[in-house]
Amino acid sequence: EDKVVQSPLSLVVHEGDTVTLNCSYEVTNFRSLLWYKQEKKAPTFLFMLTSSGIEKKSGRLSSILDKKELFSILNITATQTGDSAVYLCAPGGGTSYGKLTFGQGTILTVHP
Amino acid sequence: NAGVTQTPKFRVLKTGQSMTLLCAQDMNHEYMYWYRQDPGMGLRLIHYSVGEGTTAKGEVPDGYNVSRLKKQNFLLGLESAAPSQTSVYFCASSYPPSEQYFGPGTRLTVT
Repeated sequence: EDKVVQSPLSLVVHEGDTVTLNCSYEVTNFRSLLWYKQEKKAPTFLFMLTSSGIEKKSGRLSSILDKKELFSILNITATQTGDSAVYLCAPGGGTSYGKLTFGQGTILTVHP
Repeated sequence: NAGVTQTPKFRVLKTGQSMTLLCAQDMNHEYMYWYRQDPGMGLRLIHYSVGEGTTAKGEVPDGYNVSRLKKQNFLLGLESAAPSQTSVYFCASSYPPSEQYFGPGTRLTVT
């Protein structure tokens, strides 16, 4: 059975802080790992990672994958109140292409 | 270009009633998915489809049925609703290997 564990489950920081969110996984026939942001509505896509050690960046957010140790991290620098959300990690694999297994999410709260 | 749309947005059912949730996408995606999301949990896959006329079971398929008669539509049915099916339901579509695009969700309460 595929397994995804995100840590921490929740995190409270102040604006300007840097945060690191963790995702460890065990997925059969791993193909890629996706990160999503969810703000009380539909998840929105952040990153897709397929290769180890190659950092993907988008503004203040960055993410990297380690396929040997089976984990990924999502970094957010200089956090803002708008970063408050649930961050979901979703590795993809299995017998059917495109199928994702979601972690339970990390709840990030950024105070002014 | 509306992306992924879901109807209805909210629904309250009584135990034993049936209903159908409709998902539509206008991105010509081959793959479509139905998830449920419960408090404190990530999304769990109910059923998915890899093309018109095909469906497959996900992680939590019991109590649900699906149909994909047209490429752009994916229907989720509850034949006899139970309180355990109270949840937020999300539909998504994709054209692998790219990301999944999600609809706005349907909040279902079964009393």
